[in-house]
Amino acid sequence: SYVLTQPPSVSGAPGQTATITCGGINMESKSVHWYQQKPGQAPMLVVHDDSARPSGIPERFSGSNSGDTATLTISRVEAEDEADYYCQVWDNYNSHQIFGGGTKLTVL
Amino acid sequence: QVQLLESGPGLVKPSETLSLTCSVSGFSISRGYYWGWIRQPPGKGLEWIGYIYQSGTAYSNPSLRSRVTLSVETSKNQFSLKMTSMTAADTAVYFCARLGELSSPLDYWGRGTLVTVSS
Repeated sequence: SYVLTQPPSVSGAPGQTATITCGGINMESKSVHWYQQKPGQAPMLVVHDDSARPSGIPERFSGSNSGDTATLTISRVEAEDEADYYCQVWDNYNSHQIFGGGTKLTVL
Repeated sequence: QVQLLESGPGLVKPSETLSLTCSVSGFSISRGYYWGWIRQPPGKGLEWIGYIYQSGTAYSNPSLRSRVTLSVETSKNQFSLKMTSMTAADTAVYFCARLGELSSPLDYWGRGTLVTVSS
């Protein structure tokens, strides 16, 4: 079945840019969604359909998708951005929802 | 504002059946959308369980399909999950959520309910 690969962890200092990747075969053919999850909370959608931001999500969060890799970019990282981030796609061929393994963002 | 709230037992014995319900407020299930279940074992990532449409059409994770039953009760604005033959490996926080189409994002989530499988 389809597999999404994320780095287990990334880190960044406040004010810097953090980049989280999500790899999969022919990712650019799929709509990728990104979720932020803080401890003890449900995941929250931060980017959908590769690069769109839901209402209320800061412009610092942006997404892109090209080739075999989708990317979530967090500009001007803040302490409150420290969380786990998950990518998600629908595998239409197998009718199966897929989540990446998650990436823990640590703000230094 | 759309709100989802999971309910069910916090403790299930091995080999028993788990029954969870998700109550939806602020939106009528009969208007459409898919309604789903996702779980997260302690300290681990998200695992998709399944989705059901208001018509009853359902999709589920192949690794769980033989144990999972999804249902929707539009009169109560609720949908439910039944999972049989529970083991310790099924201990997790179970979330319910909403999505518009199968390729859409999960835009509203419940806060999750911890289910522990133990004798």
